[in-house]
Amino acid sequence: EAQVTQNPRYLITVTGKKLTVTCSQNMNHEYMSWYRQDPGLGLRQIYYSMNVEVTDKGDVPEGYKVSRKEKRNFPLILESPSPNQTSLYFCATGHRGGSYEQYFGPGTRLTVT
Amino acid sequence: KQEVTQIPAALSVPEGENLVLNCSFTDSAIYNLQWFRQDPGKGLTSLLLIQSSQREQTSGRLNASLDKSSGRSTLYIAASQPGDSATYLCAVSPRNAGNMLTFGGGTRLMVKP
Repeated sequence: EAQVTQNPRYLITVTGKKLTVTCSQNMNHEYMSWYRQDPGLGLRQIYYSMNVEVTDKGDVPEGYKVSRKEKRNFPLILESPSPNQTSLYFCATGHRGGSYEQYFGPGTRLTVT
Repeated sequence: KQEVTQIPAALSVPEGENLVLNCSFTDSAIYNLQWFRQDPGKGLTSLLLIQSSQREQTSGRLNASLDKSSGRSTLYIAASQPGDSATYLCAVSPRNAGNMLTFGGGTRLMVKP
């Protein structure tokens, strides 16, 4: 079954404690992306990756890092989380051959206190 | 910068009605347009993707149309059911970056039995 998985699904943490949200896909898609969703602001792109070792900033990259060492994985790293990073995070994948139709993971709800 | 608007923000209809959700965008130089469904607290499910060269796409009771010149898309839902209750999001990608989605704010649909 084609899947995009995210872990953890829910996380409550404290300001400044480094965390990683993992994203994994089994569809061999070259494109992966991270979004955050906030009430009133909608979905905004954080970072994206066109392929292994190729990453670039989206609209709201401040406070986040990513890496793409393998095609299937695209972790999102918060080195020093702050309360304004409390949000619902989504990973998405796509591929050029499919006109970049994007497939989303189930989401990670992060609360930073 | 591309802006995507969805009107209305919320819609409540009785079961069985045919309904139309609207999406407008400011820059007609798009690569594709995608409609998604999001259930509360859940991820996004891709419903339909329309490439820039296409005028419409159909899947079951759903039909999406695209008029690039006027910057509009509509999602038509036939014979609505309570299970259709969800938030519907449209997103467009630019011609030179088919992977980069800009989302509208969504239409929250409630179908009453």
